[in-house]
Amino acid sequence: GAGVSQTPSNKVTEKGKYVELRCDPISGHTALYWYRQSLGQGPEFLIYFQGTGAADDSGLPNDRFFAVRPEGSVSTLKIQRTERGDSAVYLCASSAQGVGEQFFGPGTRLTVL
Amino acid sequence: AQSVTQLGSHVSVSEGALVLLRCNYSSSVPPYLFWYVQYPNQGLQLLLKYTTGATLVKGINGFEAEFKKSETSFHLTKPSAHMSDAAEYFCAVSEAGGFKTIFGAGTRLFVKA
Repeated sequence: GAGVSQTPSNKVTEKGKYVELRCDPISGHTALYWYRQSLGQGPEFLIYFQGTGAADDSGLPNDRFFAVRPEGSVSTLKIQRTERGDSAVYLCASSAQGVGEQFFGPGTRLTVL
Repeated sequence: AQSVTQLGSHVSVSEGALVLLRCNYSSSVPPYLFWYVQYPNQGLQLLLKYTTGATLVKGINGFEAEFKKSETSFHLTKPSAHMSDAAEYFCAVSEAGGFKTIFGAGTRLFVKA
């Protein structure tokens, strides 16, 4: 595709449920980032992948959050036992190299009831 | 730890007037600095970036920013605002050679006719 895509665009779930959010980066981009953006705030760094490995996961808030990128392309952000405070827009970005321009997807709006 | 402070959550200017959006950063190592823009219902896109070299950087749509190390600032300017500039603007910092990017809270720019 032409840009970064994220699915679903909206996800509504109940407290305690498990959710998966998917990111398809731009083809050939080796670097992939996940961010969380709460209302009125800037994107908050969660995790960065270079290829298949998580090079920096220091932004994951706790062990309920986990992300994978098994083949170095598509990535999935997984949230276990969701809490109302997890409600936010989850953004994915990719870049051709680690410190190059990041291209952002449209985000997944997660609502935990 | 790195941080970014954007002064003013909302800025309003008249069409044709100077746009000045303020950004101050904190970094213990040489920073890379970025400005991103988010138009309504669109993803973030890069306006401009400073990595090394010339401290005055020019970006898209007539925007520019100057890296001032002594002031730890990276303010964004545009000589003449256009209605289409109305959007949310985010300043961001990462360590030189690093990947974790820290965003400010954002400044929403309003342009009055």
